Amino acid sequence: GEDVEQSLFLSVREGDSSVINCTYTDSSSTYLYWYKQEPGAGLQLLTYIFSNMDMKQDQRLTVLLNKKDKHLSLRIADTQTGDSAIYFCAERGDSWGKLQFGAGTQVVVTP
Amino acid sequence: DTGVSQDPRHKITKRGQNVTFRCDPISEHNRLYWYRQTLGQGPEFLTYFQNEAQLEKSRLLSDRFSAERPKGSFSTLEIQRTEQGDSAMYLCASSLETRHEQYFGPGTRLTVT
Repeated sequence: GEDVEQSLFLSVREGDSSVINCTYTDSSSTYLYWYKQEPGAGLQLLTYIFSNMDMKQDQRLTVLLNKKDKHLSLRIADTQTGDSAIYFCAERGDSWGKLQFGAGTQVVVTP
Repeated sequence: DTGVSQDPRHKITKRGQNVTFRCDPISEHNRLYWYRQTLGQGPEFLTYFQNEAQLEKSRLLSDRFSAERPKGSFSTLEIQRTEQGDSAMYLCASSLETRHEQYFGPGTRLTVT
């Protein structure tokens, strides 16, 4: 079955770049997403990439997709304390409903 | 532009009681999804609606769970005879049929004692 894996924790200093990695198994994934969750809150859609792209940039966010290795990454430039949160990678396969999420990467930004 | 709203935000109930949650999607979004998130995990898909039709249900949705969207607008998720294992955050999301992005509400946190 489908599986999405992420590293659990990342610590980064304010002003540095953060890179969060994700691997997935479903080769039929059409879209891949990054969501952000702050404590006690729902999920905020940050960005997404279509499976026929290999890079997407959106302000401080850069998404890289290596479809051959089924590897997705999110780079946050100039990380700020407000970026401290849990980041979820998700994939969408053939189904037009279901998203499959990873367990999330907790990012802690230190001054 | 209001986002997805969910009510209540928190619910504490005793084991064996029934609970019902409500989700109001973004206006004009005809697709609505329910997910469940347990501590330290990502959300897991439960079910989704296109307008009033329930089109897909996860095996996670046992017979004690039922979801409805009677008029194609708001949706309710009912859990009967709650168990401690039902304690989780229940998230609702919505999207347009013509778009793939799903937008999430703040969630309802259920605690079963």
